[in-house]
Amino acid sequence: EAGVVQSPRYKIIEKKQPVAFWCNPISGHNTLYWYRQNLGQGPELLIRYENEEAVDDSQLPKDRFSAERLKGVDSTLKIQPAELGDSAVYLCASSLDNSAFFGQGTRLTVV
Amino acid sequence: GQQLNQSPQSMFIQEGEDVSMNCTSSSIFNTWLWYKQDPGEGPVLLIALYKAGELTSNGRLTAQFGITRKDSFLNISASIPSDVGIYFCAGQRSGGSNYKLTFGKGTLLTVNP
Repeated sequence: EAGVVQSPRYKIIEKKQPVAFWCNPISGHNTLYWYRQNLGQGPELLIRYENEEAVDDSQLPKDRFSAERLKGVDSTLKIQPAELGDSAVYLCASSLDNSAFFGQGTRLTVV
Repeated sequence: GQQLNQSPQSMFIQEGEDVSMNCTSSSIFNTWLWYKQDPGEGPVLLIALYKAGELTSNGRLTAQFGITRKDSFLNISASIPSDVGIYFCAGQRSGGSNYKLTFGKGTLLTVNP
């Protein structure tokens, strides 16, 4: 069975440009998370979905970040415009119960 | 954001040695999870703990959910070079809409062959 799939693996953009990340969770997992991981830190939650509903987006910087999970399966995380401080690894995870499984992440570099 | 207190921050051990790391929190968690992350990869789930006092093994790995529900430890026995990586603990509260995983800052493990 395929795990959580994310794309792209790497992205380099100039500041003020938009960027989008895509995630396909494990089949049947209703819960989907987006995390951001800065260098030398553990992942920090940005947003959590239960099916297509965002049930926890308290940590999402809503002035520039947006996310959607149409049809309750795939999800997209967008940043517009990107800032230098957004450089990080963006991780998607999904779960059926309390155990979350992560994708490989997208490493974003903003220059 | 809130993070757990994970220690040690890093460890250097010889192949074959046992290693122990732990996480503590000022808050109670209902679930403790331990992950391993290799460079350039996402965290991989090693062990999940769901009950206070629970002791669970996965091969050479053993983890326990503390009785107070505020701590957990992970032991690795007879370490091998492929154990190298960053180990993260994560605690989760459940109930209502609060299923957020809170991560520690990680323990960097280096195994000298």
